[in-house]
Amino acid sequence: EAGVAQSPRYKIIEKRQSVAFWCNPISGHATLYWYQQILGQGPKLLIQFQNNGVVDDSQLPKDRFSAERLKGVDSTLKIQPAKLEDSAVYLCASSSPGLNEKLFFGSGTQLSVL
Amino acid sequence: QKEVEQNSGPLSVPEGAIASLNCTYSDRGSQSFFWYRQYSGKSPELIMFIYSNGDKEDGRFTAQLNKASQYVSLLIRDSQPSDSATYLCAVRGRNFNKFYFGSGTKLNVKP
Repeated sequence: EAGVAQSPRYKIIEKRQSVAFWCNPISGHATLYWYQQILGQGPKLLIQFQNNGVVDDSQLPKDRFSAERLKGVDSTLKIQPAKLEDSAVYLCASSSPGLNEKLFFGSGTQLSVL
Repeated sequence: QKEVEQNSGPLSVPEGAIASLNCTYSDRGSQSFFWYRQYSGKSPELIMFIYSNGDKEDGRFTAQLNKASQYVSLLIRDSQPSDSATYLCAVRGRNFNKFYFGSGTKLNVKP
């Protein structure tokens, strides 16, 4: 079974530029998550989708971050314009809802904003 | 108050010893509990999960859950240098399949 796919693996941009990350979840997983992980910290949830609907985006900085999951499969997270403090690893994860639900992560995108 | 609390460490143990990692959580209605291992520069990898009170063993790993005390632990027996990593505790909340993560405990296993 293929895992969660993410791209790109690394990205370096200058502040005020825009950047986009892509994620394809495990086949059949209805729930997709975007997490931000700053060095030395645990993952912080940015947005959670159930199929193509948003379940939670309370911690998404909506003035600069946006995300979509058209057709309920793959997803794109965008930052525009980027700030220095956005330097982090952006992790996509997916899960299949149920009693024994587990969360699986992609390889992540390491973003450096200069 | 954070939903999930972990000691950031680092926790240093000699090779072959037992490493004990601990985690507390705030929501008494939490349903499922997970341990992820994260090597430097890599994404978190699920290594253990536990749903009911007691112990669950898988190879050298044992997860322990005490819902009354809102406490989860991970024991690693016969620790190896390859176990050196950050261990993240995660808790699945009662609503909308939310997963809350601790800040992680860094484990160093010395040869």
